[in-house]
Amino acid sequence: AQRVTQPEKLLSVFKGAPVELKCNYSYSGSPELFWYVQYSRQRLQLLLRHISRESIKGFTADLNKGETSFHLKKPFAQEEDSAMYYCALSGPLVQGAQKLVFGQGTRLTINP
Amino acid sequence: DAGVTQSPTHLIKTRGQQVTLRCSPKSGHDTVSWYQQALGQGPQFIFQYYEEEERQRGNFPDRFSGHQFPNYSSELNVNALLLGDSALYLCASSSGLSGRADNEQFFGPGTRLTVL
Repeated sequence: AQRVTQPEKLLSVFKGAPVELKCNYSYSGSPELFWYVQYSRQRLQLLLRHISRESIKGFTADLNKGETSFHLKKPFAQEEDSAMYYCALSGPLVQGAQKLVFGQGTRLTINP
Repeated sequence: DAGVTQSPTHLIKTRGQQVTLRCSPKSGHDTVSWYQQALGQGPQFIFQYYEEEERQRGNFPDRFSGHQFPNYSSELNVNALLLGDSALYLCASSSGLSGRADNEQFFGPGTRLTVL
């Protein structure tokens, strides 16, 4: 079964400090991993995906298949990074359709 | 483009009633997925519609059903409501048959359903 685990429900760091949000997954096959973010009073939106290997708003995430992890990192946190972050996995292709399997989310608070 | 829109914003029902939630996809999108997000949890996949057919379904009972119209909009119906159905229901749209990394899913603001 596919499963995404985010071990921290809450994470609080000071502005300018490094941030790491942890994500571990369980999946048989080659997964597609994503990070979604939800800012206050906004809708859920894609932050980045491992296949793009890009940095968005200073965030990066590397897929580690050996450790089945996809941790989200940023070297210097900013106050506007405060939000709810969800790690998600794209499930197997069934009849041409894929579903997203989400973790429980981590609420990140950046303190001034 | 308003993006994905959902109606209503909030809804209060009592146990045993039936409810219909609506979703209009982002312009140019033809695939609609529905998710249930209970308080403090991540979204959980209910089902996905493409070409007016249910293509994949999550672990939800038959009380949850859906429909997709020729204009790609979609409805989620829940019968015999239970207290546990109280949640935020999210609609997401994408282009093409799959939700692969190259077919990003765009989410709506959600419908907050409360079952009393």
